Amino acid sequence: AQSVTQPDIHITVSEGASLELRCNYSYGATPYLFWYVQSPGQGLQLLLKYFSGDTLVQGIKGFEAEFKRSQSSFNLRKPSVHWSDAAEYFCAANMEYGNKLVFGAGTILRVKS
Amino acid sequence: NAGVTQTPKFQVLKTGQSMTLQCAQDMNHNSMYWYRQDPGMGLRLIYYSASEGTTDKGEVPNGYNVSRLNKREFSLRLESAAPSQTSVYFCASSVRTGDFNYGYTFGSGTRLTVV
Repeated sequence: AQSVTQPDIHITVSEGASLELRCNYSYGATPYLFWYVQSPGQGLQLLLKYFSGDTLVQGIKGFEAEFKRSQSSFNLRKPSVHWSDAAEYFCAANMEYGNKLVFGAGTILRVKS
Repeated sequence: NAGVTQTPKFQVLKTGQSMTLQCAQDMNHNSMYWYRQDPGMGLRLIYYSASEGTTDKGEVPNGYNVSRLNKREFSLRLESAAPSQTSVYFCASSVRTGDFNYGYTFGSGTRLTVV
């Protein structure tokens, strides 16, 4: 079945440390891929997206993600985390003809000072 | 500001009451969606509308109805609210051309409590 998996439910990093959030998808071709961020009590905001071409994509707030076809992954990274990055992060994919995104279950990021 | 507007932001209902959640977008998007978000369960699709005049069930449609009033507006109705419908509801819209979806724009959510 087509699915998006975020293996980590919670991640805690120290402020200033690097961050990598994992995302894997299950699909026979290359989907369109997205990362969203949700701050507490807020809606979801698009961080970045991958459609084709360069496998390293840059997003807002200093985030980047790398698409690896061989691993069916689209991991989100940030070199130095700030306390304001504490939020829930969702990976999503468009994997079939039509117009619905499939979302992962989310990863909650905690930042410790 | 361009985007997706949801009303109301908060609502408390008694079991059995009905209500309609409103959603409007001003980005000329052709597709619209309703999701619910519950702790530990991520986002689950309730209903969606691929284009004006069409609606389809998502993953969890029971207890809900929708209306795509025009290209801008997509409402979600709870006919007889139940405590299990306590959740945060998000509306989203997107551009769909050809085979794929270019990503959603989300509203800020409606926090619904059914007592």
